[in-house]
Amino acid sequence: ETGVTQTPRHLVMGMTNKKSLKCEQHLGHNAMYWYKQSAKKPLELMFVYSLEERVENNSVPSRFSPECPNSSHLFLHLHTLQPEDSALYLCASSQDWAGGSGEQYFGPGTRLTVT
Amino acid sequence: AQSVTQLDSQVPVFEEAPVELRCNYSSSVSVYLFWYVQYPNQGLQLLLKYLSGSTLVKGINGFEAEFNKSQTSFHLRKPSVHISDTAEYFCAVSGGAGGTSYGKLTFGQGTILTVHP
Repeated sequence: ETGVTQTPRHLVMGMTNKKSLKCEQHLGHNAMYWYKQSAKKPLELMFVYSLEERVENNSVPSRFSPECPNSSHLFLHLHTLQPEDSALYLCASSQDWAGGSGEQYFGPGTRLTVT
Repeated sequence: AQSVTQLDSQVPVFEEAPVELRCNYSSSVSVYLFWYVQYPNQGLQLLLKYLSGSTLVKGINGFEAEFNKSQTSFHLRKPSVHISDTAEYFCAVSGGAGGTSYGKLTFGQGTILTVHP
């Protein structure tokens, strides 16, 4: 595998389910990001991890719980979601959180549908 | 704080016509500038970037962009578009050394380019 991978690519879950999204980067980067992309809305930055430490949490509801066990893996744990949480969830990585050019590399995304 | 404004939310154009997607940014320090492209149900892919040097930057798929510091703009252009260029395009900026936004990427709202036959 190369670049940034995300699994699953598609997920349908009920409001009472618990599921997790997985992201893996094969680029040796130190920073990883979760974004939410809803129809007709701008890209929303949810969480940022730098060297496995959370450095940003942009007022995201507690039903989204991120986890970064090491610099290559990032998870987004989901529970008791709402229909408005249906969106494309994108993972990205960059060499560093601060410093450098800031160029980010994106995974293909997970299309989440909450029923 | 830095910000990015993409002036058009949608741009329709006919195949083989030229296109320009406009992007303006605000930042108090030097910047790095990027254009990303997103095809339906895919992640964002880097199209081109300006880090330093020549203000005219060439990217993949025949796209180019020009950094204009005095007008704080980074417009994306292509002289002749194809149906396959239909996608959403995002402009992004990160701050250069010396500022609080050093290396932190901020995205614009996106421009949907639709190429008609």
